Amino acid sequence: KQEVTQIPAALSVPEGENLVLNCSFTDSAIYNLQWFRQDPGKGLTSLLLIQSSQREQTSGRLNASLDKSSGRSTLYIAASQPGDSATYLCAVYTDKLIFGTGTRLQVFP
Amino acid sequence: DTAVSQTPKYLVTQMGNDKSIKCEQNLGHDTMYWYKQDSKKFLKIMFSYNNKELIINETVPNRFSPKSPDKAHLNLHINSLELGDSAVYFCASSKQGRNEQYFGPGTRLTVT
Repeated sequence: KQEVTQIPAALSVPEGENLVLNCSFTDSAIYNLQWFRQDPGKGLTSLLLIQSSQREQTSGRLNASLDKSSGRSTLYIAASQPGDSATYLCAVYTDKLIFGTGTRLQVFP
Repeated sequence: DTAVSQTPKYLVTQMGNDKSIKCEQNLGHDTMYWYKQDSKKFLKIMFSYNNKELIINETVPNRFSPKSPDKAHLNLHINSLELGDSAVYFCASSKQGRNEQYFGPGTRLTVT
């Protein structure tokens, strides 16, 4: 059974720091991995999707990597801003999308 | 705006009632989903439809009945609501199952 875990569960950093969010999954047989952000009381916004054949994807200040064989993905956020404060979710696609437990990020000025 | 939309945004009802949540997407996708986010914020798939055909039905009580009148719409009807049904329900869509999924804003259901 696929399980997805995210570490840390919560993170509080000062503005400007570079940070890394971690996602691990137990079964490497995935088609892709997707990173989302969720703002309080809002829906999910897709940030990046990495296909199983890819090693990384970049969008602006965000870079996501995927190491399928070790069951890990990281989301790197460069030069963090208060507007980055949200919960970040990773999800792996097998025959359905399976979500991780989330990392709640707070960036303070 | 191109998006996934849901109505209503908030739904407060009493135990035993029947209610429906509607979802529409104008992204031209052929696969739609319902997810449930519980009080601990854990998000889990309930149903998936591809071209109006049910393809995923997780272990959801049969009080929950999805209906897809066409590719752009997926509604969720819930009978005999229970306290444990209180959650946020998200609709999502994608081109096909393996592609990027786009989520609606969610419907917060509170059963009293």
